[in-house]
Amino acid sequence: DTAVSQTPKYLVTQMGNDKSIKCEQNLGHDTMYWYKQDSKKFLKIMFSYNNKELIINETVPNRFSPKSPDKAHLNLHINSLELGDSAVYFCASSPTGFWSPLHFGNGTRLTVT
Amino acid sequence: RKEVEQDPGPFNVPEGATVAFNCTYSNSASQSFFWYRQDCRKEPKLLMSVYSSGNEDGRFTAQLNRASQYISLLIRDSKLSDSATYLCVVTRGAGNNRKLIWGLGTSLAVNP
Repeated sequence: DTAVSQTPKYLVTQMGNDKSIKCEQNLGHDTMYWYKQDSKKFLKIMFSYNNKELIINETVPNRFSPKSPDKAHLNLHINSLELGDSAVYFCASSPTGFWSPLHFGNGTRLTVT
Repeated sequence: RKEVEQDPGPFNVPEGATVAFNCTYSNSASQSFFWYRQDCRKEPKLLMSVYSSGNEDGRFTAQLNRASQYISLLIRDSKLSDSATYLCVVTRGAGNNRKLIWGLGTSLAVNP
């Protein structure tokens, strides 16, 4: 009964390629997120969607394009991959609320060669 | 200065030890507070929320000091399985304006 599932778990690709990561949550949450965790372990918010609407877009290159077809899904498409994009990408979801914790997927480890 | 700061550690303690982590935040408008735990190569998971009056969950105790703008996590009788990185999270704003600010984490290694 996976709550937040993201695929693929590992992604190895070459510079310049385009790739997508998918995320789905079955918790009925209204808000979904994409986070990037780099080699220094810093967890950085990239995007947040609430009921399919983009609400947070932190300074992320426009090569990264999130898409939310419905509130249970938030996919991340990355164009023209660069070496610096290598990181672990976490999808997360939360209910809307003051004390709402985040539930994370198990991450996608992206390696760009 | 980062908005949320933690001592990165690593803290190396023997099994059975008591260990405490602090986390300071700079924005007095911060509203809710959490500790997350992240095991090596895994996703962060909520450990506990931190309430104004302090709260306890088994061997774990969280405290909030709004005047000094810090939160703490105390782990008693450490187990090997407590080895992980502990992330402090502070939120401000509400609804669509809610922002979560993450610390860099404190690494704990519990040794046999």
